[in-house]
Amino acid sequence: DTGVSQDPRHKITKRGQNVTFRCDPISEHNRLYWYRQTLGQGPEFLTYFQNEAQLEKSRLLSDRFSAERPKGSFSTLEIQRTEQGDSAMYLCASSFTGYEQYFGPGTRLTVT
Amino acid sequence: GENVEQHPSTLSVQEGDSAVIKCTYSDSASNYFPWYKQELGKGPQLIIDIRSNVGEKKDQRIAVTLNKTAKHFSLHITETQPEDSAVYFCAAPRGGGFKTIFGAGTRLFVKA
Repeated sequence: DTGVSQDPRHKITKRGQNVTFRCDPISEHNRLYWYRQTLGQGPEFLTYFQNEAQLEKSRLLSDRFSAERPKGSFSTLEIQRTEQGDSAMYLCASSFTGYEQYFGPGTRLTVT
Repeated sequence: GENVEQHPSTLSVQEGDSAVIKCTYSDSASNYFPWYKQELGKGPQLIIDIRSNVGEKKDQRIAVTLNKTAKHFSLHITETQPEDSAVYFCAAPRGGGFKTIFGAGTRLFVKA
Protein backbone atom coordinates (compact mmCIF):
# COMPACT_ATOMS: atom_id res chain seq x y z
CA ASP A 1 0.00 0.00 0.00
CA THR A 2 1.58 3.31 -1.04
CA GLY A 3 -0.92 5.61 0.66
CA VAL A 4 -0.29 8.17 3.38
CA SER A 5 0.86 6.58 6.63
CA GLN A 6 0.82 8.01 10.15
CA ASP A 7 2.51 6.86 13.30
CA PRO A 8 1.46 6.17 15.98
CA ARG A 9 -2.20 5.39 15.38
CA HIS A 10 -3.07 6.00 19.01
CA LYS A 11 -1.33 7.95 21.74
CA ILE A 12 -2.36 8.34 25.36
CA THR A 13 -0.40 10.88 27.34
CA LYS A 14 -0.62 12.75 30.59
CA ARG A 15 -1.31 16.46 30.66
CA GLY A 16 1.91 18.42 30.43
CA GLN A 17 3.85 15.83 28.45
CA ASN A 18 5.20 16.40 24.95
CA VAL A 19 4.11 14.24 22.03
CA THR A 20 5.35 13.89 18.45
CA PHE A 21 3.49 12.41 15.50
CA ARG A 22 4.90 11.38 12.16
CA CYS A 23 3.39 11.47 8.69
CA ASP A 24 4.79 9.80 5.57
CA PRO A 25 3.09 11.16 2.45
CA ILE A 26 2.62 9.45 -0.90
CA SER A 27 6.12 9.45 -2.35
CA GLU A 28 5.69 11.81 -5.31
CA HIS A 29 3.53 14.30 -3.41
CA ASN A 30 5.34 17.53 -2.56
CA ARG A 31 2.39 19.08 -0.72
CA LEU A 32 1.57 18.05 2.83
CA TYR A 33 -1.20 19.18 5.20
CA TRP A 34 -1.95 18.65 8.88
CA TYR A 35 -5.50 18.79 10.24
CA ARG A 36 -7.15 18.28 13.61
CA GLN A 37 -10.53 16.61 13.89
CA THR A 38 -12.68 16.49 17.01
CA LEU A 39 -15.70 14.25 17.47
CA GLY A 40 -18.60 15.19 15.25
CA GLN A 41 -16.69 17.87 13.35
CA GLY A 42 -14.94 18.18 10.05
CA PRO A 43 -11.14 18.38 9.83
CA GLU A 44 -9.70 21.77 10.81
CA PHE A 45 -6.67 23.00 8.91
CA LEU A 46 -3.49 23.36 10.97
CA THR A 47 -0.62 23.85 8.55
CA TYR A 48 0.63 23.34 5.00
CA PHE A 49 4.03 22.44 3.55
CA GLN A 50 5.21 22.65 -0.01
CA ASN A 51 8.38 20.62 -0.13
CA GLU A 52 10.22 21.60 3.06
CA ALA A 53 8.74 25.10 3.29
CA GLN A 54 5.92 25.72 5.75
CA LEU A 55 3.78 28.15 3.77
CA GLU A 56 0.70 28.55 5.94
CA LYS A 57 -0.20 28.08 9.58
CA SER A 58 -3.62 28.35 11.18
CA ARG A 59 -4.10 30.50 14.24
CA LEU A 60 -5.20 27.19 15.82
CA LEU A 61 -1.52 26.29 15.81
CA SER A 62 -0.51 27.88 19.09
CA ASP A 63 3.09 28.26 20.18
CA ARG A 64 2.85 24.81 21.80
CA PHE A 65 2.51 23.25 18.36
CA SER A 66 5.33 22.93 15.86
CA ALA A 67 5.53 21.10 12.57
CA GLU A 68 8.51 20.30 10.40
CA ARG A 69 9.24 18.69 7.09
CA PRO A 70 13.02 18.81 7.04
CA LYS A 71 13.79 17.07 3.75
CA GLY A 72 10.51 17.59 1.98
CA SER A 73 9.45 14.01 2.58
CA PHE A 74 8.03 12.93 5.96
CA SER A 75 6.68 15.47 8.43
CA THR A 76 6.42 15.63 12.20
CA LEU A 77 3.93 17.46 14.38
CA GLU A 78 4.96 18.11 17.97
CA ILE A 79 2.71 19.27 20.77
CA GLN A 80 4.46 20.56 23.88
CA ARG A 81 2.90 20.70 27.35
CA THR A 82 -0.23 18.89 26.21
CA GLU A 83 -3.62 19.98 27.54
CA GLN A 84 -6.86 18.04 27.71
CA GLY A 85 -8.23 20.25 24.94
CA ASP A 86 -5.59 18.83 22.61
CA SER A 87 -7.37 15.46 22.62
CA ALA A 88 -8.40 14.89 19.01
CA MET A 89 -7.62 13.00 15.84
CA TYR A 90 -4.63 14.47 14.02
CA LEU A 91 -4.81 13.87 10.29
CA CYS A 92 -2.17 14.25 7.64
CA ALA A 93 -2.90 14.59 3.94
CA SER A 94 -0.71 14.87 0.87
CA SER A 95 -1.27 16.14 -2.63
CA PHE A 96 0.53 16.31 -5.95
CA THR A 97 -1.60 18.96 -7.62
CA GLY A 98 -2.67 21.06 -4.64
CA TYR A 99 -6.27 20.08 -5.31
CA GLU A 100 -6.94 16.41 -4.52
CA GLN A 101 -5.81 15.61 -0.98
CA TYR A 102 -5.21 12.06 0.17
CA PHE A 103 -5.54 11.45 3.88
CA GLY A 104 -3.77 9.08 6.21
CA PRO A 105 -5.59 7.07 8.89
CA GLY A 106 -4.86 9.65 11.57
CA THR A 107 -3.31 9.62 15.03
CA ARG A 108 -5.82 9.65 17.88
CA LEU A 109 -4.45 11.60 20.85
CA THR A 110 -5.96 11.26 24.31
CA VAL A 111 -4.65 13.57 27.02
CA THR A 112 -5.50 12.42 30.56
CA GLY B 1 -15.07 35.42 5.66
CA GLU B 2 -14.37 31.74 5.34
CA ASN B 3 -17.18 29.34 6.08
CA VAL B 4 -18.60 26.12 4.67
CA GLU B 5 -22.04 25.10 5.88
CA GLN B 6 -23.31 21.59 5.32
CA HIS B 7 -26.73 20.08 5.79
CA PRO B 8 -28.38 17.93 6.85
CA SER B 9 -26.24 16.78 9.75
CA THR B 10 -27.93 13.37 9.69
CA LEU B 11 -29.68 11.60 6.82
CA SER B 12 -31.42 8.24 6.92
CA VAL B 13 -32.60 6.55 3.72
CA GLN B 14 -33.84 3.16 2.63
CA GLU B 15 -31.54 1.04 0.51
CA GLY B 16 -32.08 1.89 -3.13
CA ASP B 17 -33.27 5.44 -2.47
CA SER B 18 -31.30 8.57 -3.35
CA ALA B 19 -29.47 10.80 -0.90
CA VAL B 20 -28.62 14.48 -1.37
CA ILE B 21 -26.26 16.51 0.81
CA LYS B 22 -25.86 20.25 0.33
CA CYS B 23 -23.10 22.72 1.12
CA THR B 24 -22.76 26.47 0.86
CA TYR B 25 -19.51 28.40 0.90
CA SER B 26 -18.70 32.02 1.50
CA ASP B 27 -15.41 32.67 -0.33
CA SER B 28 -16.22 33.63 -3.91
CA ALA B 29 -12.59 32.93 -4.87
CA SER B 30 -12.95 29.21 -4.06
CA ASN B 31 -12.45 27.20 -7.25
CA TYR B 32 -12.38 23.55 -6.21
CA PHE B 33 -15.04 21.57 -4.35
CA PRO B 34 -14.29 18.03 -3.14
CA TRP B 35 -16.42 15.54 -1.25
CA TYR B 36 -14.94 13.08 1.23
CA LYS B 37 -16.31 9.92 2.79
CA GLN B 38 -15.10 8.96 6.26
CA GLU B 39 -15.73 5.54 7.76
CA LEU B 40 -15.25 4.77 11.44
CA GLY B 41 -11.59 4.73 12.46
CA LYS B 42 -10.33 5.87 9.05
CA GLY B 43 -9.20 9.08 7.47
CA PRO B 44 -11.41 10.90 4.96
CA GLN B 45 -11.39 9.44 1.45
CA LEU B 46 -11.86 11.64 -1.62
CA ILE B 47 -14.86 10.31 -3.56
CA ILE B 48 -15.61 13.03 -6.11
CA ASP B 49 -14.67 16.62 -6.82
CA ILE B 50 -15.57 19.43 -9.15
CA ARG B 51 -13.77 22.53 -10.36
CA SER B 52 -15.40 25.91 -10.74
CA ASN B 53 -15.56 25.83 -14.54
CA VAL B 54 -17.91 22.82 -14.52
CA GLY B 55 -21.53 22.64 -13.38
CA GLU B 56 -21.89 18.90 -12.86
CA LYS B 57 -19.74 15.80 -12.62
CA LYS B 58 -20.84 12.20 -12.34
CA ASP B 59 -19.04 9.00 -11.40
CA GLN B 60 -21.24 5.92 -11.44
CA ARG B 61 -23.75 6.32 -8.59
CA ILE B 62 -22.39 9.61 -7.27
CA ALA B 63 -22.60 13.08 -8.76
CA VAL B 64 -21.76 16.60 -7.68
CA THR B 65 -23.46 19.77 -8.89
CA LEU B 66 -22.14 23.30 -8.48
CA ASN B 67 -23.96 26.63 -8.58
CA LYS B 68 -21.26 29.32 -8.38
CA THR B 69 -23.74 32.18 -8.47
CA ALA B 70 -25.51 30.91 -5.39
CA LYS B 71 -22.27 29.56 -3.90
CA HIS B 72 -23.56 26.12 -3.20
CA PHE B 73 -22.74 22.58 -4.28
CA SER B 74 -24.40 19.25 -3.66
CA LEU B 75 -23.55 15.55 -3.49
CA HIS B 76 -26.05 13.13 -4.99
CA ILE B 77 -25.91 9.40 -4.33
CA THR B 78 -28.33 7.21 -6.26
CA GLU B 79 -29.32 3.60 -5.59
CA THR B 80 -27.87 3.78 -2.09
CA GLN B 81 -26.38 0.66 -0.56
CA PRO B 82 -25.63 -0.20 3.10
CA GLU B 83 -21.90 0.29 2.42
CA ASP B 84 -22.62 3.94 1.60
CA SER B 85 -23.30 4.45 5.33
CA ALA B 86 -20.59 6.81 6.57
CA VAL B 87 -19.91 10.47 7.33
CA TYR B 88 -19.61 12.70 4.28
CA PHE B 89 -17.75 16.02 4.27
CA CYS B 90 -17.76 18.81 1.72
CA ALA B 91 -14.85 21.21 1.51
CA ALA B 92 -13.71 24.35 -0.26
CA PRO B 93 -10.30 25.99 -0.41
CA ARG B 94 -9.92 29.52 0.82
CA GLY B 95 -9.15 31.61 -2.21
CA GLY B 96 -5.60 32.89 -2.46
CA GLY B 97 -4.14 30.44 0.03
CA PHE B 98 -3.64 26.80 0.83
CA LYS B 99 -6.20 26.38 3.60
CA THR B 100 -9.13 24.05 2.97
CA ILE B 101 -12.31 24.61 4.96
CA PHE B 102 -14.44 21.54 5.69
CA GLY B 103 -18.12 21.33 6.46
CA ALA B 104 -19.24 19.79 9.73
CA GLY B 105 -20.25 16.54 8.07
CA THR B 106 -23.39 14.55 7.29
CA ARG B 107 -23.89 11.14 8.85
CA LEU B 108 -25.65 8.97 6.27
CA PHE B 109 -27.47 5.83 7.35
CA VAL B 110 -28.65 3.45 4.62
CA LYS B 111 -31.17 0.98 6.00
CA ALA B 112 -31.29 -2.45 4.37
